[in-house]
Amino acid sequence: DADVTQTPRNRITKTGKRIMLECSQTKGHDRMYWYRQDPGLGLRLIYYSFDVKDINKGEISDGYSVSRQAQAKFSLSLESAIPNQTALYFCATSDLWNTEAFFGQGTRLTVV
Amino acid sequence: SQQGEEDPQALSIQEGENATMNCSYKTSINNLQWYRQNSGRGLVHLILIRSNEREKHSGRLRVTLDTSKKSSSLLITASRAADTASYFCAPALIQGAQKLVFGQGTRLTINP
Repeated sequence: DADVTQTPRNRITKTGKRIMLECSQTKGHDRMYWYRQDPGLGLRLIYYSFDVKDINKGEISDGYSVSRQAQAKFSLSLESAIPNQTALYFCATSDLWNTEAFFGQGTRLTVV
Repeated sequence: SQQGEEDPQALSIQEGENATMNCSYKTSINNLQWYRQNSGRGLVHLILIRSNEREKHSGRLRVTLDTSKKSSSLLITASRAADTASYFCAPALIQGAQKLVFGQGTRLTINP
């Protein structure tokens, strides 16, 4: 099994729909992250969580929300999807000292 | 910004040549990591160098760290077509939120 699993891998949704991207990890780490990547660009941080009771906004949190259901699960929601949220989304987890991050395979989201 | 900034943004070399990428950051770090991203895939951890280390090797990878200049470099020797990818650095800061943030990366193309 992969260390970090994202579902779905691909999704096409309509403008205005609510959509949830799910992430689970088997590393036992407390820290989890959601990133967005647009074509040819780097990763931008949407939200991050350092433990189950800790949720923090990243640099581009508007239009997104998250839920940390358990140490192993961190989901990202788009409350009302819009076309400019079309992107590749990554979930990651790391240890307390950020010595190594493990990434999921990504979710390719298209909003039409 | 807490992120590292990679330079150059893009690099194209012939197979067999060496590739050097640089990373600069702004504040004191505990460690600095380098990651590789193949097109559309999740980032994969390559190597970590701690703040008290100046150089580290892993196979064909050589990483240096100059904390006085707040910079690091990643050298890939004897490049192969399979090294074609984007490369990101991630400095783990001593202070602050210590969230894992990435820059835009260096897009490396190895030409046969």
